[in-house]
Amino acid sequence: QKEVEQDPGPLSVPEGAIVSLNCTYSNSAFQYFMWYRQYSRKGPELLMYTYSSGNKEDGRFTAQVDKSSKYISLFIRDSQPSDSATYLCAMSETGTALIFGKGTTLSVSS
Amino acid sequence: NAGVTQTPKFRILKIGQSMTLQCAQDMNHNYMYWYRQDPGMGLKLIYYSVGAGITDKGEVPNGYNVSRSTTEDFPLRLELAAPSQTSVYFCASNPGTSYEQYFGPGTRLTVT
Repeated sequence: QKEVEQDPGPLSVPEGAIVSLNCTYSNSAFQYFMWYRQYSRKGPELLMYTYSSGNKEDGRFTAQVDKSSKYISLFIRDSQPSDSATYLCAMSETGTALIFGKGTTLSVSS
Repeated sequence: NAGVTQTPKFRILKIGQSMTLQCAQDMNHNYMYWYRQDPGMGLKLIYYSVGAGITDKGEVPNGYNVSRSTTEDFPLRLELAAPSQTSVYFCASNPGTSYEQYFGPGTRLTVT
């Protein structure tokens, strides 16, 4: 079993839809959970960061961590064409060395 | 601030050649990282450094070497390039006081 599993998609939604992106993991020692957004031919940029379990909201984005199920989610409300990108989950035991999922490619059509 | 810069942007190598991928940051960050990203895959950590003179292996270090003589620079050396090293290489840094990693624009390397 891979350490971090993420469905690569692609995922296509109409503008305004709610998007749900998910990752599962096997290492119960992970404490730091992040979502990075990567536009085509660019470096990733941090979107959301959560320590341990719980929810975090930032504008249209909500990150959830369920450590008991080893499952993390990113929700995007009122999705926009500018949200079209690849979304990578990343996790770490110490916050230093990150383990990334494969990324989910999202396309939002207007 | 230029942030994290990487050179070159693109490079084609022949099998067996060597090269150094350059990475520099002007944010005075202690932590620096090298990742590779293969098509349709996430990023895999090659090496990282928590300060000048200190480096450590990541998930996929074989075939690569690094050095960190200054805070600003973290070059990645490929010796005896192989087709399996065809990838996009990203350098990143963070200050160590937060968990956000700042990524460079990447170097696209093809080994034929």
